[in-house]
Amino acid sequence: DAKTTQPPSMDCAEGRAANLPCNHSTISGNEYVYWYRQIHSQGPQYIIHGLKNNETNEMASLIITEDRKSSTLILPHATLRDTAVYYCIVRPPSIYNQGGKLIFGQGTELSVKP
Amino acid sequence: DAGVIQSPRHEVTEMGQEVTLRCKPISGHDYLFWYRQTMMRGLELLIYFNNNVPIDDSGMPEDRFSAKMPNASFSTLKIQPSEPRDSAVYFCASSRTGVVEKLFFGSGTQLSVL
Repeated sequence: DAKTTQPPSMDCAEGRAANLPCNHSTISGNEYVYWYRQIHSQGPQYIIHGLKNNETNEMASLIITEDRKSSTLILPHATLRDTAVYYCIVRPPSIYNQGGKLIFGQGTELSVKP
Repeated sequence: DAGVIQSPRHEVTEMGQEVTLRCKPISGHDYLFWYRQTMMRGLELLIYFNNNVPIDDSGMPEDRFSAKMPNASFSTLKIQPSEPRDSAVYFCASSRTGVVEKLFFGSGTQLSVL
């Protein structure tokens, strides 16, 4: 699976957009980008995933560059409850290999401040 | 749906004792994952099952660790004998075929081995 690089920490003002970057320069053609977050003392929570088109759901937007070597997770109006560690994971879908094994890196610790 | 249910939430035991952690996946999910989280090593995948069959146990640290899934609604992770370095938060997660990478995590079991 492709390796990802994320900044260890970021700050964001409440109400502003939080833009969390992820580099995955070795991504291959069938690999998807997945984002999870983990709020303190809770289990990780799925946010969004995509292959090459931009994706949006009720939680966030995912912007993937045309060359697919990097992506950005956007929380459009961050709140204090969005303070969490955000994980970017790259892997092929389970149809290409056995199972859905997800390997979590160190992630980005996002602090949303009043 | 109640989500993934783990028990106990907290477990304190003495070195050498047997520890059993329990997990009930979301009904209809056919994948089950056990993860361990520590400050030093982050989130580590220990083992995962598909249709109650262990698929990949390469993350299980030692023979002291064993996991079973006797039916679709129950799984256990057992440590025998336990050691202080096993202290961690243990998470169970489940997902279903078609969206295997969209994991739903439980609240975790905080294990302390004295």
